[in-house]
Amino acid sequence: DQQVKQNSPSLSVQEGRISILNCDYTNSMFDYFLWYKKYPAEGPTFLISISSIKDKNEDGRFTVFLNKSAKHLSLHIVPSQPGDSAVYFCAASGMTTGNQFYFGTGTSLTVIP
Amino acid sequence: DGGITQSPKYLFRKEGQNVTLSCEQNLNHDAMYWYRQDPGQGLRLIYYSQIVNDFQKGDIAEGYSVSREKKESFPLTVTSAQKNPTAFYLCASSIAGADTDTQYFGPGTRLTVL
Repeated sequence: DQQVKQNSPSLSVQEGRISILNCDYTNSMFDYFLWYKKYPAEGPTFLISISSIKDKNEDGRFTVFLNKSAKHLSLHIVPSQPGDSAVYFCAASGMTTGNQFYFGTGTSLTVIP
Repeated sequence: DGGITQSPKYLFRKEGQNVTLSCEQNLNHDAMYWYRQDPGQGLRLIYYSQIVNDFQKGDIAEGYSVSREKKESFPLTVTSAQKNPTAFYLCASSIAGADTDTQYFGPGTRLTVL
């Protein structure tokens, strides 16, 4: 049973425009969320995180929004750059989930120059 | 230069053979993890360890074994009991294994069983 879902397997965006990647979760006990970026044949690298006590966290061009009532988070990348082309995974964890992280299936972002 | 290393990057084995994947970290992290990634699926947790000489099963531990004799090392053995061993294996570590600790990943090992 997939507790973290990324329903869009791929996304294409023009350079300079906004990229919006979405993630939904089912377990209301999750209280910490992260986004990872992954290039082919490499391990994921941490991008940005958000705690459930906040609804927004910003780091440079990357902003994560959390809507707890909808069990939904999104990652905004503004402006998008060709180097952002990668697979993006969202992940969730909670104290009551044994500190285990649950990952979504990933969204492949292509930024077109 | 701190980080997590996994070796080898590509590994080929014959069906029925056990194979051990290496994972080493010099970040002084207490917690280490093994994940498996299959096409179209998210990362799934195989095993994790929050302290030396202790480890717990993740969601898909069947057919795998681990050891944690040293803080820096967390090798994963893929046994012949694992039905579909061909996958991309990722090792990660975090400071203490708390649910708010960021996990840092190694470059991964792609295992192909022929």
